[in-house]
Amino acid sequence: QLQLQESGPGLVKPSETLSLTCTVSGGSISSSSYYWGWIRQPPGKGLEWIGSIYYSGSTYYNPSLKSRVTISVDTSKNQFSLKLSSVTAADTAVFYCARRRTYGGNLDAFDIWGQGTMVTVSS
Amino acid sequence: DIQMTQFPSTLSASVGDRVTITCRASQSISSWLAWYQQKPGKAPKLLIYKASSLESGVPSRFSGSGSGTEFTLTISSLQPDDFATYYCQQYNSYLLTFGGGTKVEIK
Repeated sequence: QLQLQESGPGLVKPSETLSLTCTVSGGSISSSSYYWGWIRQPPGKGLEWIGSIYYSGSTYYNPSLKSRVTISVDTSKNQFSLKLSSVTAADTAVFYCARRRTYGGNLDAFDIWGQGTMVTVSS
Repeated sequence: DIQMTQFPSTLSASVGDRVTITCRASQSISSWLAWYQQKPGKAPKLLIYKASSLESGVPSRFSGSGSGTEFTLTISSLQPDDFATYYCQQYNSYLLTFGGGTKVEIK
């Protein structure tokens, strides 16, 4: 069945750019039925949606992070990626990639999640 | 932004108890609401979508209800595997937002 796997550095220095990749296996990222997203969770806290992308490259972002976020897709590698610039300690979190399906022509919930990857921002 | 408020934030219950968690939206979201279960160190798992539709493979003791601004997740008979944190999430707006979570603990 479809699986998602996050990868990237576990430690990023303040003011630098956090870069993560989500590899999709067991299915195609180019399916018209899904969007792909990033969600983060600071230690001991709740979930925050970062942004989402369609296989065509269409994106939408959380306005609170929009100035620092770029999400891109590489259909040839069945991957999508997250870049978060100018990070601070407040960006320390577990980052999840997830699939968002459509339901009756409308966007629905996140039905499949990666296991998550912890990223710490520290010098 | 649509704010999602969950309560209680913590709930102590025993195996076999009926448990209800409430999620309130700051404005109407129709039925565009999902519920997730998260265990420590694990990714969230989708339980309920479109407010009341049970995700495939999820036990029938879980149910969701509500529309507009008030929603509930009910566990009809709490099982040992159900001790976890539960989150609601609205997707009426392009800006997706989650509730703060409800931790279900063993009494």
